[in-house]
Amino acid sequence: GENVEQHPSTLSVQEGDSAVIKCTYSDSASNYFPWYKQELGKRPQLIIDIRSNVGEKKDQRIAVTLNKTAKHFSLHITETQPEDSAVYFCAARTYNFNKFYFGSGTKLNVKP
Amino acid sequence: DADVTQTPRNRITKTGKRIMLECSQTKGHDRMYWYRQDPGLGLRLIYYSFDVKDINKGEISDGYSVSRQAQAKFSLSLESAIPNQTALYFCATSVIRTSGSSGSYNEQFFGPGTRLTVL
Repeated sequence: GENVEQHPSTLSVQEGDSAVIKCTYSDSASNYFPWYKQELGKRPQLIIDIRSNVGEKKDQRIAVTLNKTAKHFSLHITETQPEDSAVYFCAARTYNFNKFYFGSGTKLNVKP
Repeated sequence: DADVTQTPRNRITKTGKRIMLECSQTKGHDRMYWYRQDPGLGLRLIYYSFDVKDINKGEISDGYSVSRQAQAKFSLSLESAIPNQTALYFCATSVIRTSGSSGSYNEQFFGPGTRLTVL
């Protein structure tokens, strides 16, 4: 089955700096890669996603890049703010729409 | 997202007890999922269902069972709870969306979670 690895497990940045979280996947047939943000005590919520026919997608301060050849994708947050502090999860969905496989999460701390 | 609800939100129980966690949704989605979340392990899939007659095991189904009573309801049961089932449990729903330029994809919507403690 699919295996998704996520790094780093914790990330601390100064407000205004950029943050990058990286994920790798093993199944070359996976074709949809969402990113979720989970604030303390709350449910995961989708913040951005990318499909395998696209190399990059941007939404205001967040962007995701995908390298299908290397089987890795990354989340980029620019101009970080304290409210960006949360746990971020990457995921990969199998090609037949059946399952999502999640990374282990990255705890991002943005220091004011 | 108030469209996906879970009950109870918190539960403390003892080893050997039978526990049922319930999930309801008003989104009209066919697909429903149960995950557990443990620190450092992310979200792991327990069971998933694509319609009332379709139930599938996920990565970690041992010790759990599910029931899809209706399109809107998907229950998770622990027949005999054990301490290592202490975790945060999330229900999720999904729908397949089609984007003309980018193909099809499905977005998941999570419930608020149930924190289960087995003593």
